[in-house]
Amino acid sequence: GAVVSQHPSRVICKSGTSVKIECRSLDFQATTMFWYRQFPKKSLMLMATSNEGSKATYEQGVEKDKFLINHASLTLSTLTVTSAHPEDSSFYICSARPAANEKLFFGSGTQLSVL
Amino acid sequence: GENVEQHPSTLSVQEGDSAVIKCTYSDSASNYFPWYKQELGKGPQLIIDIRSNVGEKKDQRIAVTLNKTAKHFSLHITETQPEDSAVYFCAAFRSRSTLTFGKGTMLLVSP
Repeated sequence: GAVVSQHPSRVICKSGTSVKIECRSLDFQATTMFWYRQFPKKSLMLMATSNEGSKATYEQGVEKDKFLINHASLTLSTLTVTSAHPEDSSFYICSARPAANEKLFFGSGTQLSVL
Repeated sequence: GENVEQHPSTLSVQEGDSAVIKCTYSDSASNYFPWYKQELGKGPQLIIDIRSNVGEKKDQRIAVTLNKTAKHFSLHITETQPEDSAVYFCAAFRSRSTLTFGKGTMLLVSP
């Protein structure tokens, strides 16, 4: 299957700082990438759809100014959690879909802990 | 929008037994149904998927069945092994939309 690389796998930061998470499709081009958030023992919650070369589409209730998404190329999307607070602590997962293919492949996730 | 219900939420089996996880969906326009396995601290891994024009698909010990009329699909794992222990998510997708996930099933296979 296609490979999606996500970094870092784990990050600890102080409250008020910003954290950037990278998501790369290694062996295919992805015009669309997705960012999810997952709480312990819960399902995946879609945060936003990242479109290459255009603005991301955010799900209802997700603060676009707090969760900045940039999809600068067909293989890279980044999620920046700005002014992080303890309530932002969570497992963040990206995914990518090869163009015109329903199959969705996930990165390995990033565990964010805000102190 | 689409709603996916998944049962059971937890499933415990003995090694070698079979495990079955069931999902129902609400949107009759959904036409693609993947299953993901998620191990602790990792991202979901696509293990098998089925399209709406197929009733059953098998890959070694894993099989998925789809009943479009009843709008339900199931994951079957035979000869379970301890390494099958994980959380399994079903999902439904229709064109021009996003994947809708079930709430997950924690499968525990005891040696």
